[in-house]
Amino acid sequence: GAVVSQHPSWVICKSGTSVKIECRSLDFQATTMFWYRQFPKQSLMLMATSNEGSKATYEQGVEKDKFLINHASLTLSTLTVTSAHPEDSSFYICSARKRISNTGELFFGEGSRLTVL
Amino acid sequence: AQRVTQPEKLLSVFKGAPVELKCNYSYSGSPELFWYVQYSRQRLQLLLRHISRESIKGFTADLNKGETSFHLKKPFAQEEDSAMYYCALSFRSYNTDKLIFGTGTRLQVFP
Repeated sequence: GAVVSQHPSWVICKSGTSVKIECRSLDFQATTMFWYRQFPKQSLMLMATSNEGSKATYEQGVEKDKFLINHASLTLSTLTVTSAHPEDSSFYICSARKRISNTGELFFGEGSRLTVL
Repeated sequence: AQRVTQPEKLLSVFKGAPVELKCNYSYSGSPELFWYVQYSRQRLQLLLRHISRESIKGFTADLNKGETSFHLKKPFAQEEDSAMYYCALSFRSYNTDKLIFGTGTRLQVFP
């Protein structure tokens, strides 16, 4: 199988604090991981592409300093929401592509729900 | 710019009826298209991709480059097909293959 796990599944924090979300590929190596954001009843919006050992590539309109992404190893990427505010409350989903893949398939985590009070 | 459009937010049918979930894309290059499905309380998972031309759970999708469409079809819907369906486009940007999604269509199959 190809399992991607996110932690935490849900988090509540106070405005102004920072929150870190982890995304791990449990049984495969992933050179590329993607972070998406999903608002209620809306689609997944690609935030950034995370490549192991290099800087993340952010989509237009996504603040790099706000959403820090680190991809330190082939099985772990982290998203840190810095100085979170209520408008950052959302469902954050990560996905990973196998290091060796001829299908282009992405494997998705279960998502992390962030609520900023 | 690259874009995926799913015009229907909700599609309701009765069991045994045919289903077609529409998807149109905008991309100047050679597209690579996918359908992902999300069942209730589960994570997103791949349903099928146009390259493989396969049929999964009775679903098929044909890429029509002339109409820039990749509609998902099933001749006889089942209750267990009720889920959220997302059409997705993969394209290369800055040496990375990205995947963007349409807004999704919720399929409800009534008994």
